[in-house]
Amino acid sequence: GQSLEQPSEVTAVEGAIVQINCTYQTSGFYGLSWYQQHDGGAPTFLSYNALDGLEETGRFSSFLSRSDSYGYLLLQELQMKDSASYFCAVSWYSSASKIIFGSGTRLSIRP
Amino acid sequence: NAGVTQTPKFRVLKTGQSMTLLCAQDMNHEYMYWYRQDPGMGLRLIHYSVGEGTTAKGEVPDGYNVSRLKKQNFLLGLESAAPSQTSVYFCASSYSDRGDSDTQYFGPGTRLTVL
Repeated sequence: GQSLEQPSEVTAVEGAIVQINCTYQTSGFYGLSWYQQHDGGAPTFLSYNALDGLEETGRFSSFLSRSDSYGYLLLQELQMKDSASYFCAVSWYSSASKIIFGSGTRLSIRP
Repeated sequence: NAGVTQTPKFRVLKTGQSMTLLCAQDMNHEYMYWYRQDPGMGLRLIHYSVGEGTTAKGEVPDGYNVSRLKKQNFLLGLESAAPSQTSVYFCASSYSDRGDSDTQYFGPGTRLTVL
């Protein structure tokens, strides 16, 4: 079957750097996405990786290694507003029904 | 642009009652999706649509039906609500399901409680 694994909780200090990992088991992998969700809010898109390597968008970066079936989201210069849940999502070739979300990582930032 | 909107925002049903959740998007997206989100379980795909007049089952379709009569609207129906359907329901849309065009835009969610 297909599955995604990410840590359930991560705690970090304001101003620091944190990495949230995501490992997947699948065949026909197409791309890895990351979404942010604040409590009571809707998920919002952060980044997408289809190829190996690092994608940078401001304070957020996302990395993918297809050979290792592994990716991570890197958040730098953490701010209190970054406290949220972060979901990785994997899409497979040509089928919307094969978009699978991880169970999410709750990131808590402390001063 | 309003993006993706959902109605209602909250609803309480009794077991056996029926209801329809409405999702609308003004981005001219082809693809639309319905998810449910339960504590600790992330988002699970219920049904999706790849265009006007077409729908397909996702990961957890049982107990739900959908319709996409107009490109901008995607309706989710519960024919006979059960307590197990208590959840937060999110609608999303995307331009396509390929590459970085498959970014999904989510609505604000509908919190449904079935007693």
